Amino acid sequence: GAGVSQSPRYKVAKRGQDVALRCDPISGHVSLFWYQQALGQGPEFLTYFQNEAQLDKSGLPSDRFFAERPEGSVSTLKIQRTQQEDSAVYLCASSPRPDRVYYGYTFGSGTRLTVV
Amino acid sequence: EDQVTQSPEALRLQEGESSSLNCSYTVSGLRGLFWYRQDPGKGPEFLFTLYSAGEEKEKERLKATLTKKESFLHITAPKPEDSATYLCAVLKTDKLIFGTGTRLQVFP
Repeated sequence: GAGVSQSPRYKVAKRGQDVALRCDPISGHVSLFWYQQALGQGPEFLTYFQNEAQLDKSGLPSDRFFAERPEGSVSTLKIQRTQQEDSAVYLCASSPRPDRVYYGYTFGSGTRLTVV
Repeated sequence: EDQVTQSPEALRLQEGESSSLNCSYTVSGLRGLFWYRQDPGKGPEFLFTLYSAGEEKEKERLKATLTKKESFLHITAPKPEDSATYLCAVLKTDKLIFGTGTRLQVFP
């Protein structure tokens, strides 16, 4: 597609519910990133994929967070047993470069998760 | 500790009133500094990448500069459509470390 597509755009979850957030990167982009953006803050790194390999997951805040990209294209960020502190916008970004040097990240519009 | 600090937090300008946004950083192993624009409900939109002290880049009314410890985003004769949050980020290994942004409002 022309841009990075994320779905759903909005998600309301009851505390304790599991959620799955989807990211469709730009076709052919090798690198994919997930960021978490709390209200009034800058995005914070969660995890990074190169093709299907998860090369860095150091930003995942707890073992309730899990990300996958099984075929090297679409990625899913899963949050188990959601807590109120998980409420944020979850941004996905992709880049055509296979190495770790920044070339150009294109961000999606994000999924706004609200845990009630 | 790696840190990116942006100032001011918010800035209100009259149309045509030029100003500058600041981004200071303390990051070891810096591989580049980036400026993004973010509109409400949207993801960040890439503006510039700067790699070395003394480097400058321009795009329309925006000009970004870089020193060893900080970067400036200069806005010349802004228009209302320049209203947005401007984010600064530094690249360390494979991840971008963002500041909290400057919310810019330009009034006609």
